[in-house]
Amino acid sequence: DAKTTQPNSMESNEEEPVHLPCNHSTISGTDYIHWYRQLPSQGPEYVIHGLTSNVNNRMASLAIAEDRKSSTLILHRATLRDAAVYYCIPSMDSNYQLIWGAGTKLIIKP
Amino acid sequence: DADVTQTPRNRITKTGKRIMLECSQTKGHDRMYWYRQDPGLGLRLIYYSFDVKDINKGEISDGYSVSRQAQAKFSLSLESAIPNQTALYFCATSDLGGQPQHFGDGTRLSIL
Repeated sequence: DAKTTQPNSMESNEEEPVHLPCNHSTISGTDYIHWYRQLPSQGPEYVIHGLTSNVNNRMASLAIAEDRKSSTLILHRATLRDAAVYYCIPSMDSNYQLIWGAGTKLIIKP
Repeated sequence: DADVTQTPRNRITKTGKRIMLECSQTKGHDRMYWYRQDPGLGLRLIYYSFDVKDINKGEISDGYSVSRQAQAKFSLSLESAIPNQTALYFCATSDLGGQPQHFGDGTRLSIL
């Protein structure tokens, strides 16, 4: 399984971009990088995933380093509703099971 | 209505009691999962099911059992609850392997 390193917490101002880093230096060549988030008192919510190329969707962008040893989740314009714990999950086991770490707690300041 | 529904949302019970947590989904997914979350930690997989006839143990299955009654229903049981099973429990579903998982809002279980 790939070892994942994320900051325990980050703060950002409302309406500013947020860059959430993740290091996964032992990722295998076939593992997708998944990001989920968990808002307070809710179940996790899928955000985005990618393999090699940068990915965009309505929620966020995912920038993947060329060597795939790190990735960055980008929230283009943070709102108070984006305050959550963000999980970077760079590996699955052979049955496609996600392997969860402790994540980054994102705090948005008004 | 939620795509993945968990009942009950909260439960307080005593040591030694049998408890069943239920999960139902309207997404039509074959795969269903039960996770446990302890404070400040990520999720840990208890059991998962690829279809009605295929049930597999996850990382922390000891003390738990499951039943897949139908494609849409997956129940988690604690046969004899103990205090260290106090946690937040989540059910999830997914389509094919590697596809995004969709979660319920969780069951907060307290065992006294």
